[in-house]
Amino acid sequence: SQTIHQWPATLVQPVGSPLSLECTVEGTSNPNLYWYRQAAGRGLQLLFYSIGIDQISSEVPQNLSASRPQDRQFILSSKKLLLSDSGFYLCAWSQGYSGNTIYFGEGSWLTVV
Amino acid sequence: GDSVTQMEGPVTLSEEAFLTINCTYTATGYPSLFWYVQYPGEGLQLLLKATKADDKGSNKGFEATYRKETTSFHLEKGSVQVSDSAVYFCALSDQGAPGNQFYFGTGTSLTVIP
Repeated sequence: SQTIHQWPATLVQPVGSPLSLECTVEGTSNPNLYWYRQAAGRGLQLLFYSIGIDQISSEVPQNLSASRPQDRQFILSSKKLLLSDSGFYLCAWSQGYSGNTIYFGEGSWLTVV
Repeated sequence: GDSVTQMEGPVTLSEEAFLTINCTYTATGYPSLFWYVQYPGEGLQLLLKATKADDKGSNKGFEATYRKETTSFHLEKGSVQVSDSAVYFCALSDQGAPGNQFYFGTGTSLTVIP
């Protein structure tokens, strides 16, 4: 069966510090991968999606970036965090066929102070 | 473009009450429709799905029917429990969209009181 894991689960970072959130998927190959952000009490905002290695699309201009160094690994990064980057970050995956479902990781709480 | 509009919350119900959370969608192709549930501090979990018109998705007593004529996918449950307290998201997947993108509603918070 397929599983998705992301880490760390929680982190508190000062303004201006770097960020790295990691996500891995097991039990499938060539998944579509996604990073979402969920601000407190709000809906989901798609940040990045990837349909393959080195194929990453950005949905929202910001100081975040994403990389996919391996087929089932997706990394969200920032060189300098802003207070507005605080939120709940969710990694997700899906397969590219009709009627596919998107599956989410456990989420990572980021607080920028 | 594609979008999902769902009923705004928060919704508060007494235990054993009937639940309806409205969801309507706009899509250019033939989308699949989903309901996800998010418990506090957790990621989203798939609750149910429907992939074509008139399909009914069901799980854990929840149901939703894909209505193409009204472009709706309303979530219902006949008798809610305290454990159903969570945020519910309606979503669609449009195979015509690049990267198989998913579109989510803003979420509806449900609180069930004993």
